[in-house]
Amino acid sequence: GENVEQHPSTLSVQEGDSAVIKCTYSDSASNYFPWYKQELGKGPQLIIDIRSNVGEKKDQRIAVTLNKTAKHFSLHITETQPEDSAVYFCAASKGSGGSNYKLTFGKGTLLTVNP
Amino acid sequence: EPEVTQTPSHQVTQMGQEVILRCVPISNHLYFYWYRQILGQKVEFLVSFYNNEISEKSEIFDDQFSVERPDGSNFTLKIRSTKLEDSAMYFCASGERSPLHFGNGTRLTVT
Repeated sequence: GENVEQHPSTLSVQEGDSAVIKCTYSDSASNYFPWYKQELGKGPQLIIDIRSNVGEKKDQRIAVTLNKTAKHFSLHITETQPEDSAVYFCAASKGSGGSNYKLTFGKGTLLTVNP
Repeated sequence: EPEVTQTPSHQVTQMGQEVILRCVPISNHLYFYWYRQILGQKVEFLVSFYNNEISEKSEIFDDQFSVERPDGSNFTLKIRSTKLEDSAMYFCASGERSPLHFGNGTRLTVT
């Protein structure tokens, strides 16, 4: 089955700096790659996603890049703020319809933004 | 904005007891899921449910687990005889032609 590796496990940055989190996946049939932010005591919240027919997607300070050949995708957060501090998960899935949401998650990255 | 709600937020039970975790998915969604997160580990897929039946399940989802949509709005996960290793956060999620939406989870503690 699919295996998703995520690095780093912890990341500490100064406010205003950029943060980059990287993930690799094993199944070349995976075609949907969401990123989730999880704050303490809450469920994962989608922050951005990308499909395999696109190489890059941006939403304000957040961007995701996908390299299908290398089977890796990355989350980029620019101008980080203290409220960006959370655990970030990457995930991968394949298929369509309902099965498209059988997500395989990475282990998560604890991002700390220091004021 | 519509959201997935889960009850209870925390459930403590003794080993061998049955527990039922409850979820109210977003109303126009047709696909429902349970995921599990053991403390400090990754979020793991348990089961997906569509059209009143299980569409896919993981190896974790053995005979001790069952899901049900009893009344058209609730979606439940039952663990028949809990084990210590069932202690985890259990997340319900729902989706349609949109990203997956997760609830805030139920923390299950088996003692």
